[in-house]
Amino acid sequence: GDQVEQSPSALSLHEGTGSALRCNFTTTMRAVQWFQQNSRGSLINLFYLASGTKENGRLKSTFNSKESYSTLHIRDAQLEDSGTYFCAAEVNYGNEKITFGAGTKLTIKP
Amino acid sequence: EAAVTQSPRNKVTVTGGNVTLSCRQTNSHNYMYWYRQDTGHGLRLIHYSYGAGNLQIGDVPDGYKATRTTQEDFFLLLELASPSQTSLYFCASSGDSQAPLFGEGTRLSVL
Repeated sequence: GDQVEQSPSALSLHEGTGSALRCNFTTTMRAVQWFQQNSRGSLINLFYLASGTKENGRLKSTFNSKESYSTLHIRDAQLEDSGTYFCAAEVNYGNEKITFGAGTKLTIKP
Repeated sequence: EAAVTQSPRNKVTVTGGNVTLSCRQTNSHNYMYWYRQDTGHGLRLIHYSYGAGNLQIGDVPDGYKATRTTQEDFFLLLELASPSQTSLYFCASSGDSQAPLFGEGTRLSVL
């Protein structure tokens, strides 16, 4: 079936450093969305992309539909960035199914 | 303001109980979705719909029914709840080329 493979499953960073999360897709996706899930369980929308790159503060996301992947870059990590990050991708045109990756648990250490 | 509202936010029931989770969107979106989230998994799609009266089967539909009564309202039905259905449930809506919007989630415990 349609799959979204998210990596890494867990990541630990020191404050001020950065890294990238990645989602690989096993089929053509028409758009991708990145979320942060906070401690209360709420899903906070970070980015929605149909192509290209978007940047917001210390976060940047890229979606390459041709090569079937998306990335979320975090720079200058802060303690409040801790949480679980999910990508979600929309499968095909005419079938608006949204499939999630398994998530990346990000821990920021002082 | 665009919104997806879920109710109740928390629910406790017993095995064999009958539960209805409600979702309302005020975004004029055609698509609505029900997901469950469990430890070690991302959100998994239960059912979705592209309009009133329509229902599409998701990836983990067993034990669940759903009904889309209007464009705004999408219900998830657990007619014989089991402990395996203890989970965090999310509803979402989406429209053409628009970012999907998610509700705040419903925590369901089946004892």
